[in-house]
Amino acid sequence: DSGVTQTPKHLITATGQRVTLRCSPRSGDLSVYWYQQSLDQGLQFLIQYYNGEERAKGNILERFSAQQFPDLHSELNLSSLELGDSALYFCASSVVGWGTDTQYFGPGTRLTVL
Amino acid sequence: DQQVKQNSPSLSVQEGRISILNCDYTNSMFDYFLWYKKYPAEGPTFLISISSIKDKNEDGRFTVFLNKSAKHLSLHIVPSQPGDSAVYFCAASGTSGGSYIPTFGRGTSLIVHP
Repeated sequence: DSGVTQTPKHLITATGQRVTLRCSPRSGDLSVYWYQQSLDQGLQFLIQYYNGEERAKGNILERFSAQQFPDLHSELNLSSLELGDSALYFCASSVVGWGTDTQYFGPGTRLTVL
Repeated sequence: DQQVKQNSPSLSVQEGRISILNCDYTNSMFDYFLWYKKYPAEGPTFLISISSIKDKNEDGRFTVFLNKSAKHLSLHIVPSQPGDSAVYFCAASGTSGGSYIPTFGRGTSLIVHP
């Protein structure tokens, strides 16, 4: 158990809908990262937050947004969902979010868009 | 364009033998390399890392070798155990500048037969 929690574990929804994925980092970690893993793909970095502020942005679509709250939990919002958004979404956390800081991953949320 | 490549999608070895997982990278700015292990229905777990100032790092049965001139790293598992059966992701980052977010390969599925 990495100490990172993600809810829900599974999510099935329809195209055009909006969903929210939630992540709670390990105790003491200030940085949260979101990744997407599509079928047979590596982990694609979406976005990073550090202590409530956006720190780095990857290949995140404009239909996706995220935030980190004062209690350090984070939410990833996916809207106008398309079939291609079906994937595993992982959250990771680390202490300072910089350099060689080790990332600890949650178990992921499997999103299926029908 | 994949900056981190794991060209073998799968590898099968016998228990007790050596497992060698390979990874190639293209970005010369990468100077920190990691291996993560992932079991089904779980998030990736950090396994071992190596900085570009070293060419080898050992942790128990796991050894990572780095060949900077060839832009190649490998993970050796000796001896392999059935519990090592998992997907292994190679990742690389540049700790100076803005590229500290790891770029992941697509993974190699290792199966260790009893």
